[in-house]
Amino acid sequence: KAGVTQTPRYLIKTRGQQVTLSCSPISGHRSVSWYQQTPGQGLQFLFEYFSETQRNKGNFPGRFSGRQFSNSRSEMNVSTLELGDSALYLCASSLRAENTGELFFGEGSRLTVL
Amino acid sequence: AQTVTQSQPEMSVQEAETVTLSCTYDTSESDYYLFWYKQPPSRQMILVIRQEAYKQQNATENRFSVNFQKAAKSFSLKISDSQLGDAAMYFCAFTTGNQFYFGTGTSLTVIP
Repeated sequence: KAGVTQTPRYLIKTRGQQVTLSCSPISGHRSVSWYQQTPGQGLQFLFEYFSETQRNKGNFPGRFSGRQFSNSRSEMNVSTLELGDSALYLCASSLRAENTGELFFGEGSRLTVL
Repeated sequence: AQTVTQSQPEMSVQEAETVTLSCTYDTSESDYYLFWYKQPPSRQMILVIRQEAYKQQNATENRFSVNFQKAAKSFSLKISDSQLGDAAMYFCAFTTGNQFYFGTGTSLTVIP
């Protein structure tokens, strides 16, 4: 069974640009969540989608947005990039609808903003 | 507010020895789930161990075990017979069923 796939793995952008990251969950998983990982900050929750609906949202500005498609694939978008957006963005999928089970993570998309 | 605190940014252990990673959390909920995740260098994060808060018995997975103290809101991870492959960043996390809350991580070095 294929794991969680994130694309692209690495990308470099400049301030003011926008970026779209993609996540394909494990087959059968309908919950997809996104996290921003930076040194010293750990994982910060961005948002979570279940069956195309955003169920939870973290404390990030509106420049961060996401969506989920009918096949459970998810995308997140960051507009008007800032230097502080440089981070590893992790996607995780889960089988359980009630968010109490194991999260399965992708390898992440490492974004560098210059 | 729901928070997770890992007070040890870095730890080291000799191969074959035992090490304990600390984690405390704060929540007003009575029903929740606790996790330890491992993130090896440049590799994806994987689950190490999971504990339901309503269970008094501490979870164990081979060389990994937890010491869950619900009243103290403490959830430490003990790694026995440490191996070189245990070197990684370890994250403590919990969820009440809505979102997951993660700590800032502990970087574990295993010394041969």
